[in-house]
Amino acid sequence: AQSVTQLDSHVSVSEGTPVLLRCNYSSSYSPSLFWYVQHPNKGLQLLLKYTSAATLVKGINGFEAEFKKSETSFHLTKPSAHMSDAAEYFCVVSIYGGSQGNLIFGKGTKLSVKP
Amino acid sequence: NAGVTQTPKFRILKIGQSMTLQCTQDMNHNYMYWYRQDPGMGLKLIYYSVGAGITDKGEVPNGYNVSRSTTEDFPLRLELAAPSQTSVYFCASSYRDPANYGYTFGSGTRLTVV
Repeated sequence: AQSVTQLDSHVSVSEGTPVLLRCNYSSSYSPSLFWYVQHPNKGLQLLLKYTSAATLVKGINGFEAEFKKSETSFHLTKPSAHMSDAAEYFCVVSIYGGSQGNLIFGKGTKLSVKP
Repeated sequence: NAGVTQTPKFRILKIGQSMTLQCTQDMNHNYMYWYRQDPGMGLKLIYYSVGAGITDKGEVPNGYNVSRSTTEDFPLRLELAAPSQTSVYFCASSYRDPANYGYTFGSGTRLTVV
């Protein structure tokens, strides 16, 4: 069965410092992986996706994630946090060609950015 | 191009009342989904549809019903509202296999049952 685990429910960083949000996945197949961001009282927006091409994926707003099959991880990083990055982030896994065709969401990591 | 539109944005229901959450997309997407989001729990799939006339249950379907008579619309029906259905509901759509395309989300409906 497919699953995704976000290792931290809450991460707090200072503005200008690096961001690391951790995600591990479990899948019997070659997974597709996504990161979504949700700002307060808003819908979810796609940050980036991995679909078996390059293992280092670049997304919007300076975020990137690296797919590491040996570690079953897909951590999200950003070199320098901005106040506007404060939001909740969801790691998501799917099976390519899965019969249900739906995505499985992690429980989310809330990112706080201190001035 | 409006994307995925959900109405209403907010609603308060009394226990036992019924209501329909509306979801419309104008991107000609085949796949549509309903999720609920509870604090600290991520998103749970309620129902999904892979095309007009085809629907199936997700992880938490009890207390809900759906229909898909057109490609554009995917309404979610609550028949007898219960406090456990207090949540934020998101509709999403995808062109084809979401493993390749991901989802486009609506802005959500915040429902409170009292």
